[in-house]
Amino acid sequence: VLTQSPGTLSLSPGERATLSCRASQSVSVNYVAWYQQKPGQAPRLLIYGASSRATGIPDRFSGSGSGTDFTLTISRLEPEDFAVYHCQQYGNSPPTFGQGTKVDLK
Amino acid sequence: EVQLVQSGAEVKKPGESLNISCKASGFRFTNYWIGWVRQMPGKGLEYLGIIFPYDSDTRYSPSFRGHITISADKTINTAYLQWNSLKASDTAIYYCARPLTVSSKAFDIWGQGTVVTVSS
Repeated sequence: VLTQSPGTLSLSPGERATLSCRASQSVSVNYVAWYQQKPGQAPRLLIYGASSRATGIPDRFSGSGSGTDFTLTISRLEPEDFAVYHCQQYGNSPPTFGQGTKVDLK
Repeated sequence: EVQLVQSGAEVKKPGESLNISCKASGFRFTNYWIGWVRQMPGKGLEYLGIIFPYDSDTRYSPSFRGHITISADKTINTAYLQWNSLKASDTAIYYCARPLTVSSKAFDIWGQGTVVTVSS
């Protein structure tokens, strides 16, 4: 089971966002991904392997963590970053997703 | 352009069958797994299962095994998600998605989603 916290994060543009994803058991090879999803759109891959940015993802997005605790950090929120963020572990079978964290405008 | 294009929205009654599709283009279909992900209204993402079209090797999440069938036709670069008997609780958006590499399950290419509504 993956547990994301907080459920909602209310911030202003320019602020730093820190999102947490905790696994109930250690994730093999730190295979954790983060996705961004905006209303009416499919998810978009941001981070894979806990800390590698996907193609075209700005460097204000960074991932860290190992074992059971993982973090997505957005260093300075841009207006287009207000969205829902999902974590996924794919090191253990079957792959599973967290319930999501909504980053909304304060 | 690498893309997955899914079939259109469906409205069905409980007990009916359904087959939705996901057509791939811009990459070698038989070199990648294709996964399916569910998103119930207002909820998070759930992994249903995955197929390797080259040999139709299919893996299901235990939570969904027996209720869905995943298949693929490599001659037309299309993957399918099928139900024999729908329930109201199957109402959701269903996405197909392609992982980064053959050994990964991090999905970098997503279809646009198919909305499935099951209601009497």
